[in-house]
Amino acid sequence: AQSVTQLDSQVPVFEEAPVELRCNYSSSVSVYLFWYVQYPNQGLQLLLKYLSGSTLVESINGFEAEFNKSQTSFHLRKPSVHISDTAEYFCAVTFGDPGNQFYFGTGTSLTVIP
Amino acid sequence: GAGVSQSPRYKVAKRGQDVALRCDPISGHVSLFWYQQALGQGPEFLTYFQNEAQLDKSGLPSDRFFAERPEGSVSTLKIQRTQQEDSAVYLCASSLAGGAGTDTQYFGPGTRLTVL
Repeated sequence: AQSVTQLDSQVPVFEEAPVELRCNYSSSVSVYLFWYVQYPNQGLQLLLKYLSGSTLVESINGFEAEFNKSQTSFHLRKPSVHISDTAEYFCAVTFGDPGNQFYFGTGTSLTVIP
Repeated sequence: GAGVSQSPRYKVAKRGQDVALRCDPISGHVSLFWYQQALGQGPEFLTYFQNEAQLDKSGLPSDRFFAERPEGSVSTLKIQRTQQEDSAVYLCASSLAGGAGTDTQYFGPGTRLTVL
């Protein structure tokens, strides 16, 4: 069965500390991987995505994620978080090519503590 | 407009009432998606349109849920005879190309439906 798992529902971290938000998926077909972010009182926004090529992808605000096919993971990392990074983060996957459906994880609430 | 808009932002319905939720996608976007997001959960796929054609409705939870996009632009999600378990945030997203596979989806702010 195809599924997406975000193991951590809440992650508190101090400002300027590193953070990793975990995402694992289960699939026997090709996948495309996304991280979306939802800031308080705003809609979901694309943070970064992996389609093909380099397994390390970066966002404009310092986040990065690495596609690890052997571990079926797409963890999101940032070496130093800011207060403004406080938000809900969702991992999303499409299965197969072409895929019509996004499968979302349950989300990880990142709280940056000053 | 610049982004995806949804109306109303909040809707309270009595159990058994019918509701209609509207989505205005980004102009020119081919694909339109509806998701249901229950409290504390990630969005769950409901249905997908490519222009006016509804290509996938496998996520609609029951025959009380109906979606349309008659002119390939604005879409309406209709829920008949609402039940308490329908309470959720309903998200609409659009993308420039067809399919969800590789294209960025742009999400609206959602409609929060509360069924009493």
